[in-house]
Amino acid sequence: GEEVAQTPKHLVRGEGQKAKLYCAPIKGHSYVFWYQQVLKNEFKFLISFQNENVFDETGMPKERFSAKCLPNSPCSLEIQATKLEDSAVYFCASSQITGGGGNQPQHFGDGTRLSIL
Amino acid sequence: GNSVTQMEGPVTLSEEAFLTINCTYTATGYPSLFWYVQYPGEGLQLLLKATKADDKGSNKGFEATYRKETTSFHLEKGSVQVSDSAVYFCALKDGDYKLSFGAGTTVTVRA
Repeated sequence: GEEVAQTPKHLVRGEGQKAKLYCAPIKGHSYVFWYQQVLKNEFKFLISFQNENVFDETGMPKERFSAKCLPNSPCSLEIQATKLEDSAVYFCASSQITGGGGNQPQHFGDGTRLSIL
Repeated sequence: GNSVTQMEGPVTLSEEAFLTINCTYTATGYPSLFWYVQYPGEGLQLLLKATKADDKGSNKGFEATYRKETTSFHLEKGSVQVSDSAVYFCALKDGDYKLSFGAGTTVTVRA
């Protein structure tokens, strides 16, 4: 599609439950990124994929967070045993990479607001 | 590592006023620079970008010039409208492709 599509828009979970978020990147984009927006406006990078391969996972809290991008399926971000501090808006972005890399902009979805009660 | 510092808000202006949001960066390489805008309840939209020194990005009346000598990428608009009320984020992207964001500046334009 022409837009990054994230589902659901809102997700409410009790503490300790699992949460799973989905992202369909723009068709033809090779890279997918996940960011967490917390505390006023702060963005934290979580993980990126090049096609179905993990490209950079330096931001991922590995104990409870996992992510996948499988062929012909939306990408997913899963949080096991959620904690109150996981409450945030999770954004997915995708980009093309051409030639020397880095200067292609990332296109963002509208985000999933995760509320942990 | 990479970092972005942008002016703290909130910024409140009257319609048709001049807007400047300062942004400076620290990077180990030669980053690309971006301004994103977030309208209430929405995701981030790319506003403009610049990929090398002295490039000027522009869109919807907004402009920003990549200044390598001062490591800055200040956002300007000559005459703001109520519809420009949003949160503005300065960001950089270096070789590892992830974005590093500033803290965001909330702009409110009053009629």
